Amino acid sequence: NAGVTQTPKFRILKIGQSMTLQCTQDMNHNYMYWYRQDPGMGLKLIYYSVGAGITDKGEVPNGYNVSRSTTEDFPLRLELAAPSQTSVYFCASSYTAGTTGYNEQFFGPGTRLTVL
Amino acid sequence: SQKIEQNSEALNIQEGKTATLTCNYTNYSPAYLQWYRQDPGRGPVFLLLIRENEKEKRKERLKVTFDTTLKQSLFHITASQPADSATYLCALGGSGATNKLIFGTGTLLAVQP
Repeated sequence: NAGVTQTPKFRILKIGQSMTLQCTQDMNHNYMYWYRQDPGMGLKLIYYSVGAGITDKGEVPNGYNVSRSTTEDFPLRLELAAPSQTSVYFCASSYTAGTTGYNEQFFGPGTRLTVL
Repeated sequence: SQKIEQNSEALNIQEGKTATLTCNYTNYSPAYLQWYRQDPGRGPVFLLLIRENEKEKRKERLKVTFDTTLKQSLFHITASQPADSATYLCALGGSGATNKLIFGTGTLLAVQP
């Protein structure tokens, strides 16, 4: 199993450009998440999905969009990139909580994005 | 609003000693708490989960405690090794069925040989 994979690893954007960060998991997890991590600020939840076709906003959704057409893929779209979106972006997935309780999240290696 | 505090200062200890990391929270009643390890340039990796009705959890050299009255979790690494050097993140989860987590800012642990 590759786990959670993210592409690209690094990207530099100019202000106003758009791009899509790709995330794929091969563990058949229903739940997927997008976070951003700024220096000294911890991980902030951008969007999450509990299954194909279902997405919802997290703590910091402004400037981003997501879609979930398959169980495996959860792309994050940046429209009109701004310097404030310079950050490291992590995708994660987890099993359904179900009746047994709560589950760990599995993280991808991250995408380092710079907006100039 | 919900707030999670971890030691912002790096924790430096000697090899073989026990490292103790602190996670305090306010304005939140988590159903569970998780600890993750993050190495530079990599994504976080899950270590331990403890539920609100559990006082302590152990896994090999790791131990986590959870005090819902004090609103605090302590994370211990016994017989620490230089390979334990990393940033450790605590994360709180609610009772909803989404597994959403709120992360602290992390504590950098440096184990000196």
